[in-house]
Amino acid sequence: GAVVSQHPSRVICKSGTSVKIECRSLDFQATTMFWYRQFPKQSLMLMATSNEGSKATYEQGVEKDKFLINHASLTLSTLTVTSAHPEDSSFYICSAIRTGTVNTEAFFGQGTRLTVV
Amino acid sequence: GIQVEQSPPDLILQEGANSTLRCNFSDSVNNLQWFHQNPWGQLINLFYIPSGTKQNGRLSATTVATERYSLLYISSSQTTDSGVYFCAVESSNTGKLIFGQGTTLQVKP
Repeated sequence: GAVVSQHPSRVICKSGTSVKIECRSLDFQATTMFWYRQFPKQSLMLMATSNEGSKATYEQGVEKDKFLINHASLTLSTLTVTSAHPEDSSFYICSAIRTGTVNTEAFFGQGTRLTVV
Repeated sequence: GIQVEQSPPDLILQEGANSTLRCNFSDSVNNLQWFHQNPWGQLINLFYIPSGTKQNGRLSATTVATERYSLLYISSSQTTDSGVYFCAVESSNTGKLIFGQGTTLQVKP
């Protein structure tokens, strides 16, 4: 299977600061990556689609100025939570699909648990 | 948008028992995946199964695309099978996965 690595796995930050989360596809290229958010005891909700070399597309209700996404290479997407507040505390998880195949199987990173204090 | 419903929401089994988890979806799909989320939050890929039947050890899955459902079978369950099982579908050729609410499985020794 394909490997997606996400870093950091856990972060605690002060209210008002920004946090950057990295998502890397280690053994394949990914033109498209996805960012999800999961609250405790709930399912995963898609936040945005990260497109290599172009702007991300955000799902309805997701603030693009708060959740900045950059996809500068075929193996790396970053999510920056800007001016974080306690309500942004959540589990963030990324996924990637292989470029250039008809198989759209998604592979997920380990997730990042963000706590804003 | 497409709706994904999983049942049952919770399931408690004795070690060694078999179980069937169900995923219903409201529209045609071009991707369906089953995942196991471990206690640390990692999503483990179980099956990529937009149609047909697959088996991997004690696990197997069947998707009947024409009837818009998929089943995940767990045989001879073990305590390490405990966790949340998610079904996720993609219908728009965009790669976006829509997740069901999950089935929380607890296997008791």
